Amino acid sequence: GDSVTQMEGPVTLSEEACLTINCTYTATGYPSLFWYVQYPGEGLQLLLKATKADDKGSNKGFEATYRKETTSFHLEKGSVQVSDSAVYFCALSDRGGGSYIPTFGRGTSLIVHP
Amino acid sequence: SAVISQKPSRDICQRGTSLTIQCQVDSQVTMMFWYRQQPGQSLTLIATANQGSEATYESGFVIDKFPISRPNLTFSTLTVSNLSPEDSSIYLCSVERLAGGTGEQFFGPGTRLTVL
Repeated sequence: GDSVTQMEGPVTLSEEACLTINCTYTATGYPSLFWYVQYPGEGLQLLLKATKADDKGSNKGFEATYRKETTSFHLEKGSVQVSDSAVYFCALSDRGGGSYIPTFGRGTSLIVHP
Repeated sequence: SAVISQKPSRDICQRGTSLTIQCQVDSQVTMMFWYRQQPGQSLTLIATANQGSEATYESGFVIDKFPISRPNLTFSTLTVSNLSPEDSSIYLCSVERLAGGTGEQFFGPGTRLTVL
């Protein structure tokens, strides 16, 4: 079945540092790929997505490129802020049975210090 | 986008009791999903709820423990029955974005359940 593997956290950075959170996937079809973010005490919200190979999703300074050859979708940001502290989930969605029920990674906690 | 609300936002319950969680969406949706998120863990899909039909449960989850209702296209409830401390978790409902059909989901804010 489909699966998503992302790096374990927590990732602890100083403000303005560069961020990379690795995510790799296995899927039988051609999935869409997502990064969701969960701020403390809140539900998940979509951060960015890519629906086909070589697509780059971007939002709020975060980027991720759909790499089919390496089955990866790493999340990057050039300069993190304290407000980026949250849990980040990589996910894929592969249409099956008529619905895109997603598969989530375990989540990576990001802590940004001033 | 869809706006999703959940009630209650949190609750503390005694062992052996039940808690019913409500999920309300501001637009009509075909499928609603219920997840469990245990501390430090990823999301685990409990079941998929279609309006007018029985919910479809994932492996390890049964209707007697997690009965679900879906009376219309904007509302669903999840009941966690016969509570034990192991049920302490965050419960999330979500809906699938229909336009574009890429699988994007919208989540409610979650219900934090603590069982004593």
